[in-house]
Amino acid sequence: EAGVAQSPRYKIIEKRQSVAFWCNPISGHATLYWYQQILGQGPKLLIQFQNNGVVDDSQLPKDRFSAERLKGVDSTLKIQPAKLEDSAVYLCASSEGGRIEAFFGQGTRLTVV
Amino acid sequence: DAKTTQPPSMDCAEGRAANLPCNHSTISGNEYVYWYRQIHSQGPQYIIHGLKNNETNEMASLIITEDRKSSTLILPHATLRDTAVYYCIVRVVEYGNKLVFGAGTILRVKS
Repeated sequence: EAGVAQSPRYKIIEKRQSVAFWCNPISGHATLYWYQQILGQGPKLLIQFQNNGVVDDSQLPKDRFSAERLKGVDSTLKIQPAKLEDSAVYLCASSEGGRIEAFFGQGTRLTVV
Repeated sequence: DAKTTQPPSMDCAEGRAANLPCNHSTISGNEYVYWYRQIHSQGPQYIIHGLKNNETNEMASLIITEDRKSSTLILPHATLRDTAVYYCIVRVVEYGNKLVFGAGTILRVKS
């Protein structure tokens, strides 16, 4: 089966600019996750969708980050405006509802200068 | 979700078994133990999971103590490609439940 697709693979922006990341989960997977991974740390869950509803967004900095999942399939994560501390790898993952394992994309490496 | 404690790093000789410990002393009866690993510049990859019985698959074995307060992931014949960060996670298996990562253990397999 095709894996989780993310784009772009790399992005460099200046602080205060905006940026968007795209994720296409594995077909049929109801659960979609966005994680932020700062260098040297484990992935931090930003938001979790179940179909197109939000299950958890308690760690999402809502003043600058937003995410949506269109029709319960693709998802976009946006940062506006970006700060230097947003430099990280943004990972998308998906899993079947009720299944145990989550499948991760390769991530988008964001550098804010 | 219960918290886990893992050593920050471990070394292992190539071809030998790698035994990665994890403490989860506050685990609840309905929480499973999961292991994921993350190879450099890739997303995390699922390895194995278990509730109370020992489990084995093509990648690894999972040994859970009888009181379920700790577990060990065993890579029977470690190779250089097993060098990665290994994450131990405990979570309830429910539709839509969160998957929360800690800091993990950096395993370095050396020739």
